[in-house]
Amino acid sequence: QSALTQPRSVSGSPGQSVTISCTGTSSDVGAYNDVSWYQQHPGKAPRFIIYDVNKRPSGVPDRFSGSKSGNTASLTISGLQTEDEADYYCCSYAGFYFFVVFGGGTKLTVL
Amino acid sequence: QVQLVESGGGLVKPGESLRLSCAASGFSFSDYSMIWIRQAPGKGLEWVSYISSSSSYIKYADSVKGRFTISRDNAKNALYLRMNSLRADDTAVFYCAREVFSSGWSWDYWGQGTLVTVSS
Repeated sequence: QSALTQPRSVSGSPGQSVTISCTGTSSDVGAYNDVSWYQQHPGKAPRFIIYDVNKRPSGVPDRFSGSKSGNTASLTISGLQTEDEADYYCCSYAGFYFFVVFGGGTKLTVL
Repeated sequence: QVQLVESGGGLVKPGESLRLSCAASGFSFSDYSMIWIRQAPGKGLEWVSYISSSSSYIKYADSVKGRFTISRDNAKNALYLRMNSLRADDTAVFYCAREVFSSGWSWDYWGQGTLVTVSS
């Protein structure tokens, strides 16, 4: 099972919005609403920010939102803040055999 | 508060073994499925092994199948990963993480990670 495809990098200015895509197949992202997103600052453990495509855990600002269309999931961060600069990973359930698959990660730079 | 603390990482030679531990606290460990996820230096996240709350369901990534063994001791609130026949490409930070209770296939709490380095 190949990794989900994410852009290697995206950037935005403070206050702007950015969207990170996560493209899979009809066997993972397209088949299940089990897409999650994680934020990782350098040298830190990943932080859980979105699950079930578009649900936010408690404590995650509503500036973070998720969506899905077909085989592509997306993470949108609005009102960018400097502390949002980090790596972002998507993850999807991929069925009984492949289990789960992660995206390769996207580095967000806040200019 | 929920806490996951990994230990057991270190420097080993190719072919050697290592056992990682993950000590859980602040929640009812026996109610949650757990997972090991690793991250090679400068690389992305890769799931390694998954275990259900009662150990009845266990999964391994193809890259570690036959070499790694996941287990848990609910009485001790501990998760383990026994790693045999280690290879250079197993070098990574290993994280344990808790599965979201109300929704599967996502992980809400992660440990700080333990570094495993396989090198001669």
